[in-house]
Amino acid sequence: SQQGEEDPQALSIQEGENATMNCSYKTSINNLQWYRQNSGRGLVHLILIRSNEREKHSGRLRVTLDTSKKSSSLLITASRAADTASYFCATAGLTGGGNKLTFGTGTQLKVEL
Amino acid sequence: EAQVTQNPRYLITVTGKKLTVTCSQNMNHEYMSWYRQDPGLGLRQIYYSMNVEVTDKGDVPEGYKVSRKEKRNFPLILESPSPNQTSLYFCASTPSGKGYGYTFGSGTRLTVV
Repeated sequence: SQQGEEDPQALSIQEGENATMNCSYKTSINNLQWYRQNSGRGLVHLILIRSNEREKHSGRLRVTLDTSKKSSSLLITASRAADTASYFCATAGLTGGGNKLTFGTGTQLKVEL
Repeated sequence: EAQVTQNPRYLITVTGKKLTVTCSQNMNHEYMSWYRQDPGLGLRQIYYSMNVEVTDKGDVPEGYKVSRKEKRNFPLILESPSPNQTSLYFCASTPSGKGYGYTFGSGTRLTVV
């Protein structure tokens, strides 16, 4: 069963602009993670935010988490053509040691020159 | 280099012919998992293993088997593949406990005709 739902499903922006993707989920979580996938390749872990954190930064990435609304956002600042990929949020639940990740359906980001 | 290695990368097979997709990780991770990715459905967990000889069903286990005889290896077995198992498969691993991201393999694109 899917836990996360990303919004929008697809996003097209110009290089240098910021890209924002949103994720909503249904049940309580231990942490939420964001991954990037380039065209049919393996997913790459970008950032993890714990349920007691509200905001986290990593380079050009900024993630926020609002557990009261069960939502998260991923902001990519000053986007580059190389950022073109699909982005997935994934939630780790409270049981099973917190290892099981449930993924959303992803946002396809296209950054044009 | 820390990695998860899947083989083969591409596989075309016929209905009913048993096959195995191998997965190996060199990071001494306790937790390993198999996912399938289908358009519009995101990634869905097939099976997971919390350690050697400890495996359990994920969300879509029907038609699949796994084993975990050694910590580094977690093969996925399709005893009698059917066309609805045509998909992109990913193996992933992570340390046990909470708060770690997954490392994914490069994927296996399976076509069952």
